Amino acid sequence: QVQLVQSGAEVKKPGSSVKVSCKSSGVSFSTYSVSWVRQAPGQGLEWMGQIFPTLHITNYAQKFQGRVSITADKFSTTIYLEVSSLRSEDTAVYYCARGDQIPSTSSDIWGQGTQVTVSS
Amino acid sequence: QSVLTQPPSVSGAPGQRVTISCTGSRSNIGAKYDVHWYQQLPGTAPKLLISGNNNRPSGVPDRFSGSRSDTSASLAISGLQAEDEADYYCQSYDSSLSASVFGGGTKLTVL
Repeated sequence: QVQLVQSGAEVKKPGSSVKVSCKSSGVSFSTYSVSWVRQAPGQGLEWMGQIFPTLHITNYAQKFQGRVSITADKFSTTIYLEVSSLRSEDTAVYYCARGDQIPSTSSDIWGQGTQVTVSS
Repeated sequence: QSVLTQPPSVSGAPGQRVTISCTGSRSNIGAKYDVHWYQQLPGTAPKLLISGNNNRPSGVPDRFSGSRSDTSASLAISGLQAEDEADYYCQSYDSSLSASVFGGGTKLTVL
């Protein structure tokens, strides 16, 4: 059974960066896309961006352009989300989620979530 | 302000049928992009409930169904059970934003 395993919780200072990983157990992401979705405390889901690893294509929500980077390792088994210039509003649970290789895909498998706390 | 609009809350008694609406526009649902629905129980990751407007992944009970019409979509839950109490989110793709978007979420309370 495929699972997405994310890295552990992070506490960061404002202005710093954080890099969260998402590893697939079982199969690589080579025939899939991976999206990152975040959820601030008590708030709804917010789509951040998506990567198509084997196509070397990324797509970001306008709000995060220039501040977020989604990358994949050489074998497309681990996907990374890096967020720079962190501010308190970035405090949230960050999820990776697997989908098909189309922008309008649903996400059938989700990681367990990574808590990122931004605090001075 | 979400691109897709959902009611903040709905409620129903056990055994009843409830519907959750998701209203979009001509650049997302109205452009015939698929609508997907997720269920999120407290403290857990979202779970795919309906994909491609009306398709239930394996393991999702047939009490859950989805539909799409014009610029809106709906999730219907029949035979309401206590375990259905959760937050529900719709998702679609928006061509003017070139991005996937979520509704603001709906909290379902089983009375």
